[in-house]
This record gives sequence, C-alpha cells and structure tokens, in this order.
Amino acid sequence: LAKTTQPISMDSYEGQEVNITCSHNNIATNDYITWYQQFPSQGPRFIIQGYKTKVTNEVASLFIPADRKSSTLSLPRVSLSDTAVYYCLVGSFYGGATNKLIFGTGTLLAVQP
Amino acid sequence: GAVVSQHPSRVICKSGTSVKIECRSLDFQATTMFWYRQFPKQSLMLMATSNEGSKATYEQGVEKDKFLINHASLTLSTLTVTSAHPEDSSFYICSARARTGTSYEQYFGPGTRLTVT
Repeated sequence: LAKTTQPISMDSYEGQEVNITCSHNNIATNDYITWYQQFPSQGPRFIIQGYKTKVTNEVASLFIPADRKSSTLSLPRVSLSDTAVYYCLVGSFYGGATNKLIFGTGTLLAVQP
Repeated sequence: GAVVSQHPSRVICKSGTSVKIECRSLDFQATTMFWYRQFPKQSLMLMATSNEGSKATYEQGVEKDKFLINHASLTLSTLTVTSAHPEDSSFYICSARARTGTSYEQYFGPGTRLTVT
C-alpha cells in the first residue's frame, strides 16, 4: 500500500487559493489518488479523485505530475468554512477486499478572516 | 455524490453490553464496505473490510470476536461491538465503495459516537 506524506498543518486567509501537496513515492500503477475533507465529529467527505494530469470539479482541482509521485489539491478562494482536515489517500479499487484506503495524518487547514 | 448513512449517530451503553451500528448505502449498491475507528485528534484507523455475502477481513490487531461485522446485503453492513468496555469508546465510521463509470469512488457515513460507561 502506497504511503502518503502531507504537511501536518497549513494556515490561510479568506479569499486566498490554497494548495496542499501530498507525496506518494511508491504509488502503484493501478492506484488512484483521492482527497477527502473532514470536519470534527463528521465522516470524511469526498472532494476529488484522479489518476493523472489534472482533474477539476466544482469545489477543487487536483494536479498530478507525470511521474505520479505527488499530487496537489487546489482550493480556490477559501472561506472560513473550509477549515478542516484534508486527507490524501492512494489506493487501487480493483482486486476486491485486498485493496483498501489507509488514512495518513492529514493536513489541518486553518482559514483566518 | 453517493450517500452513506449510519444509525445510530450516537449511543451510550454500559460496560459489558453489546452495541450494533448499521451502515447503509442509500442510492447505490456497495459490494465492499469498510469500518474505521477514530479517536480524538487522530486519523481514521481501518478496522475491517467486508464484501457482501462473505466474511470480513480484519486488520492486524483488531479482534474479530469483539467487533462482529455482517454484510448481509449490497446496501447494509453492521458492526456489533460485543462486551463493550470504556476503551472501546470512539467514533466509528463506515464507508462504501461505489462504481462510477470505469472507476470507483469511496464514500463515508457520518459516523457513530460510542460512549461506554
């Protein structure tokens, strides 16, 4: 299982763009990269998922370089309500029960006014 | 995105009793469901993986006789904490895997806060 490394915490201000980078040096060929957001006492919320290059949805963008050994979650114009823990996970969805998502430490993003 | 529900959202039980937590995928069928546990200010820890109709696969260090998992249908998985003790107090979160086109996505329930007194 590919291990991920993220900064423990980040600070930002409202209206700024925030980029959180995750390292996953031993990512496997079948692995996808998925990012989740978690507020206290809630389950993680799916943000975005990608395999390579760039993926964008209504809330974020995910940039993945050609070697796939890292990825960057980009949150445009954050607000106070974006203060949360963000997790980067790497795993394959194929092969049944042997493939599972293991959580790392996550990044606590604190958005200030 | 797909919706996963859990019931109850919080439960308080006495030491020595058993507690059952339900996890449902509301708008999709989940062949694989997962159970996680999270202690305060820590990350989620995977407890077990279950496939519909087969026995769960437990992570190392998780007692399968204490944490009984049943995945009886494609939309329902249950976790029963047997003979609960105060150290089992935690936030339990289930997750279900959904097929999306050519890939899969994994969605999480809102969690169940268990307090054992």
